[in-house]
Amino acid sequence: DQQVKQNSPSLSVQEGRISILNCDYTNSMFDYFLWYKKYPAEGPTFLISISSIKDKNEDGRFTVFLNKSAKHLSLHIVPSQPGDSAVYFCAASRGRGSTLGRLYFGRGTQLTVWP
Amino acid sequence: EAGVAQSPRYKIIEKRQSVAFWCNPISGHATLYWYQQILGQGPKLLIQFQNNGVVDDSQLPKDRFSAERLKGVDSTLKIQPAKLEDSAVYLCASRDLRTGKDTGELFFGEGSRLTVL
Repeated sequence: DQQVKQNSPSLSVQEGRISILNCDYTNSMFDYFLWYKKYPAEGPTFLISISSIKDKNEDGRFTVFLNKSAKHLSLHIVPSQPGDSAVYFCAASRGRGSTLGRLYFGRGTQLTVWP
Repeated sequence: EAGVAQSPRYKIIEKRQSVAFWCNPISGHATLYWYQQILGQGPKLLIQFQNNGVVDDSQLPKDRFSAERLKGVDSTLKIQPAKLEDSAVYLCASRDLRTGKDTGELFFGEGSRLTVL
């Protein structure tokens, strides 16, 4: 029962260009969304998040867009850098309280940024 | 601030043997999670603790997996007996629910990679 889906297992982008990673979800009760980045042999690290009351959140080179009607979110990285090469996980939760803060993860997208 | 500590980093066992993983969360974080990440998949929640109480263990295979957080700080996840399909990375994460500090973010450790032969 995959409630969060990342349908592209990999993405290859040239340095300096835009990277767009996509994520779809099925549970309309999700109201908080996060992106995590993971390097090999390391744990996932938080990148950026968005609440369902917003449709856009920006942090430096990273912007997350949320389309609730389509149950779709995307992560834009501009400009892409070789150090951005990693696996990106989309995650979603229902509420942020301790009993509802469980994160549901997608399968991840491997981003490769080449010079 | 020290991060989430996990050990061992790697473990290889034969099926039907037992294994235990240890996690020490970030100081002050009351919520602790154990996630299982099978190769090619996203992390899946096994169990969530709030202090020393279990909040959610609905996805924990209780016939072989157990976890405890006796003093509300560090935690142990045990698998006995292990099966081939338990080969995965076991990630521990913690979260700060204190008022004004909760960003919804989980802080992950580096994980413990288990290989069952």
